Amino acid sequence: EAGVTQSPTHLIKTRGQQATLRCSPISGHTSVYWYQQALGLGLQFLLWYDEGEERNRGNFPPRFSGRQFPNYSSELNVNALELEDSALYLCASSLAWGQFNTGELFFGEGSRLTVL
Amino acid sequence: ELKVEQNPLFLSMQEGKNYTIYCNYSTTSDRLYWYRQDPGKSLESLFVLLSNGAVKQEGRLMASLDTKARLSTLHITAAVHDLSATYFCAVSYGGSQGNLIFGKGTKLSVKP
Repeated sequence: EAGVTQSPTHLIKTRGQQATLRCSPISGHTSVYWYQQALGLGLQFLLWYDEGEERNRGNFPPRFSGRQFPNYSSELNVNALELEDSALYLCASSLAWGQFNTGELFFGEGSRLTVL
Repeated sequence: ELKVEQNPLFLSMQEGKNYTIYCNYSTTSDRLYWYRQDPGKSLESLFVLLSNGAVKQEGRLMASLDTKARLSTLHITAAVHDLSATYFCAVSYGGSQGNLIFGKGTKLSVKP
């Protein structure tokens, strides 16, 4: 069974540009989570989508946005890129709310964004 | 605001020794998770602890949860080099399900 897949693996952008990262959850999972892992800052929660709706948002500016598609895949968009946006962006998925669910998140390999 | 604190943040061990990593969290939660991350890699789930007093063991690692003390421990027995990695604990925000809030991680280095 395929795990969480993310693309692209690496992305290089310049300041002010926009970046789009994509994530496909494990089959049967309907919740998708995005985390930012910047050097020295640990994992910071960005966004949580469940059944196409945004359920929670971390302490990030509005230029970080995303969406979840009907097939439960998700996109993270970062507008007006800044140097400090350089990080590993991790996507995770889990079973839906309401089902028997340990709450365990399963992570993809990440997309490394470099802003020059 | 939920805060998750791990200590130590860096741990250098000799092979064969025992040690414990501590994870404290600031609000009520009955679910706690431990993950492992190798350099340049993603996070691998190690343990899911779902109730007070839960204890789980896998190989040389054992995790426990005390929800009253808001404390989880990850105990390493007779460390080996392959255990070198960064270990994160995480707590579910909002109770039973939701996004996880992670500690800063404990970077473990096991030396011969």
